[in-house]
Amino acid sequence: DAGVTQSPTHLIKTRGQQVTLRCSPKSGHDTVSWYQQALGQGPQFIFQYYEEEERQRGNFPDRFSGHQFPNYSSELNVNALLLGDSALYLCASSYSTGTTEAFFGQGTRLTVV
Amino acid sequence: AQKITQTQPGMFVQEKEAVTLDCTYDTSDQSYGLFWYKQPSSGEMIFLIYQGSYDEQNATEGRYSLNFQKARKSANLVISASQLGDSAMYFCAMRPLNTGFQKLVFGTGTRLLVSP
Repeated sequence: DAGVTQSPTHLIKTRGQQVTLRCSPKSGHDTVSWYQQALGQGPQFIFQYYEEEERQRGNFPDRFSGHQFPNYSSELNVNALLLGDSALYLCASSYSTGTTEAFFGQGTRLTVV
Repeated sequence: AQKITQTQPGMFVQEKEAVTLDCTYDTSDQSYGLFWYKQPSSGEMIFLIYQGSYDEQNATEGRYSLNFQKARKSANLVISASQLGDSAMYFCAMRPLNTGFQKLVFGTGTRLLVSP
């Protein structure tokens, strides 16, 4: 049973460019959340998708947007990249109900130059 | 709003000894869950242990146990018989329960180094 998979694992982009990160949830999970983890910090919640809609959003600008597909996979898009967007981006999947834990992928390390 | 505080930036322990990683939290929710994750240098967050706010007994998972003191709002992780492979970052996190929202709030983490 595959866990949460993210692609790509590493990415280098130039300021002002746009980037798309991808996530496939653990089998059976219907909810996907995205987190940004800056160096030396704990992960910060970006947003969560359920039933193809954004259900909850953290304190991130509109440059950060996402999508969830019918198969529950998800994309995170970041427009007009800034140097400060350099971070590890983590995807987590879970069931929509209950008290179960979220499972995380290995992350995408984004470097903006 | 919810907040997690981890006051130990780094901890050192010798192999086979026990170590306690501290975590305090603040929330106005009546029902919440507390989680501990391990993050090796590879980056993946690995779930270790869960404690519900209404659970009367402290959670245990193998060598991991959670010392839950609700009145003190603390949820410390105890690792018994440390192993070299336990060297990693450890994050305490929480989220409300019985809502449709599953946003996890994380602390700043504790780096654990296990020496031979």
